[in-house]
Amino acid sequence: DAKTTQPTSMDCAEGRAANLPCNHSTISGNEYVYWYRQIHSQGPQYIIHGLKNNETNEMASLIITEDRKSSTLILPHATLRDTAVYYCIVRVSGGYQKVTFGTGTKLQVIP
Amino acid sequence: NAGVMQNPRHLVRRRGQEARLRCSPMKGHSHVYWYRQLPEEGLKFMVYLQKENIIDESGMPKERFSAEFPKEGPSILRIQQVVRGDSAAYFCASSPPTSGNRNHEQFFGPGTRLTVL
Repeated sequence: DAKTTQPTSMDCAEGRAANLPCNHSTISGNEYVYWYRQIHSQGPQYIIHGLKNNETNEMASLIITEDRKSSTLILPHATLRDTAVYYCIVRVSGGYQKVTFGTGTKLQVIP
Repeated sequence: NAGVMQNPRHLVRRRGQEARLRCSPMKGHSHVYWYRQLPEEGLKFMVYLQKENIIDESGMPKERFSAEFPKEGPSILRIQQVVRGDSAAYFCASSPPTSGNRNHEQFFGPGTRLTVL
């Protein structure tokens, strides 16, 4: 699986959009971009994933650049409950799905 | 549909004892993954199992650790003769059977926090 690079930490004001970047310059054509988050002392929670098109669900939006070398997770209206560590992961489609977590971005939502 | 269940949530063992961690996957899920998270670190893959089969154990320590996923019952991660360095949070995840190239997200349990005294 390709490696990813994320900022160690970010702050975001409550009610504002949180934009979390991720670089994955060595991503292969068959690798998806996945985002998970881990709220303190809980198990990781799936957020969203995509291949090359932008994706949106009830939790977030995922913007993938045209060359697929980077992506941005957007939480449109951050709340205090969004404070967590956010992991960006790239992995192949199909087959089994060993997930390799990096250190992620620690997002602190500030009141 | 209940989520992934893990028990116990907290486990305290003395050095040299055995630790047994249980994971019940979501209904309909036949794939189970175990991860370990040391304090202030990300999750590290340990092992991937399907019913009655170990598919990938490349992340398992060579000694003292074993995992199984029997035909009936939960998946078990077993740590023999625990040492202080085994203290960590152990997370289990499950996913449904793969179909073609469709990628399925993994659903994680709440974890078991093992403390070795």
